[in-house]
Amino acid sequence: NAGVTQTPKFQVLKTGQSMTLQCAQDMNHNSMYWYRQDPGMGLRLIYYSASEGTTDKGEVPNGYNVSRLNKREFSLRLESAAPSQTSVYFCASSELWGGLGGELFFGEGSRLTVL
Amino acid sequence: TQLLEQSPQFLSIQEGENLTVYCNSSSVFSSLQWYRQEPGEGPVLLVTVVTGGEVKKLKRLTFQFGDARKDSSLHITAAQPGDTGLYLCAGEGPLAGTASKLTFGTGTRLQVTL
Repeated sequence: NAGVTQTPKFQVLKTGQSMTLQCAQDMNHNSMYWYRQDPGMGLRLIYYSASEGTTDKGEVPNGYNVSRLNKREFSLRLESAAPSQTSVYFCASSELWGGLGGELFFGEGSRLTVL
Repeated sequence: TQLLEQSPQFLSIQEGENLTVYCNSSSVFSSLQWYRQEPGEGPVLLVTVVTGGEVKKLKRLTFQFGDARKDSSLHITAAQPGDTGLYLCAGEGPLAGTASKLTFGTGTRLQVTL
């Protein structure tokens, strides 16, 4: 069972370059999320898609864009990378949006370094 | 923005010791989740607590949700090296079933040595 698959796992960019992180889930979940994880700051929500066809900003959306390509896939794009975007990025999915006790399923993460 | 503070930030103990990790907020949550994250992997859900005062046990791990639903604790009895990892609490709320979003805590990094 693949669960949530993210690509690439590692990437080094120069300031100003663009890139897209890909995420796909095979659990038929409705909701998908992009988080970033920085030391001492837990996980912060960048963007989310409550259901296919909808996307919304999370806590830290500046400098990012997303596309919910279909029910399975949710991509995160950095249009002009900055050193402050150096982080580990996690894609997650859940069966329900909000709701009592909904479980998030995470990918393995994508480690991005911006020089 | 709801904030969740975890303490301690780091904990290094020997196998067999007991420990407690705390997750505190000034906000009320409709439910609270605990995740464990191992190096190079994403977080994995351990438990969800929903009712104020609720206690859940998962083998050697005991989770408690505060009566006022503002805080939670994770107690590990007789820690083992396999318990090593980053423990994250995440609160949803204050209203369940709405477009509320999970707020993650700052994390507690636990290392258990032989």
